[in-house]
Amino acid sequence: AQSVAQPEDQVNVAEGNPLTVKCTYSVSGNPYLFWYVQYPNRGLQFLLKYITGDNLVKGSYGFEAEFNKSQTSFHLKKPSALVSDSALYFCAVRDPTDSNYQLIWGAGTKLIIKP
Amino acid sequence: GAGVSQSPSNKVTEKGKDVELRCDPISGHTALYWYRQSLGQGLEFLIYFQGNSAPDKSGLPSDRFSAERTGGSVSTLTIQRTQQEDSAVYLCASSLDGLPLANYGYTFGSGTRLTVV
Repeated sequence: AQSVAQPEDQVNVAEGNPLTVKCTYSVSGNPYLFWYVQYPNRGLQFLLKYITGDNLVKGSYGFEAEFNKSQTSFHLKKPSALVSDSALYFCAVRDPTDSNYQLIWGAGTKLIIKP
Repeated sequence: GAGVSQSPSNKVTEKGKDVELRCDPISGHTALYWYRQSLGQGLEFLIYFQGNSAPDKSGLPSDRFSAERTGGSVSTLTIQRTQQEDSAVYLCASSLDGLPLANYGYTFGSGTRLTVV
């Protein structure tokens, strides 16, 4: 069965430090992978996606994510965190060979950046 | 419009009343999803519409919940006899699902915050 795991409910990082939000997945085919962000009292916004090609994907707000097929991971990263990055982050996966086109969502990770 | 529009943005209702939540997806998006998000929690899938196919209702929590999508566009989520545990943010998303290359993400609306008192 397809699944997505975000092993950390919350990640705390000091402003200016690098941040990583972890995501691992399980699908039968080659995955399409997505990250979304939800700022307080706002809807979800698309950050970035991996479909094919370069394993390092760059997205909005200086975020990037690295697809690692052997580790079945798609961790979200940013070299230098900002207080404004504090939000709820969701990882999602889709198996393009599955006729069910729905995204499978992780439970979300709350990112807190402290000044 | 340019994005997914949901209305109302906030709804306070009394326990036992019925409510209707509206979603206007991006024009041309064939797929429409309803999710529920409790305070600070993850996304709970409710229902999925794809074109003219029968909707996937597997996520609806009870028979008090129903949804329809008229003309392949606007969708209405109806909750009958609301209960306090129905209080949540209800999110709608649309997507270009169904294409041979299903590499599109979702575009979410801002949600409807439902409070049942």
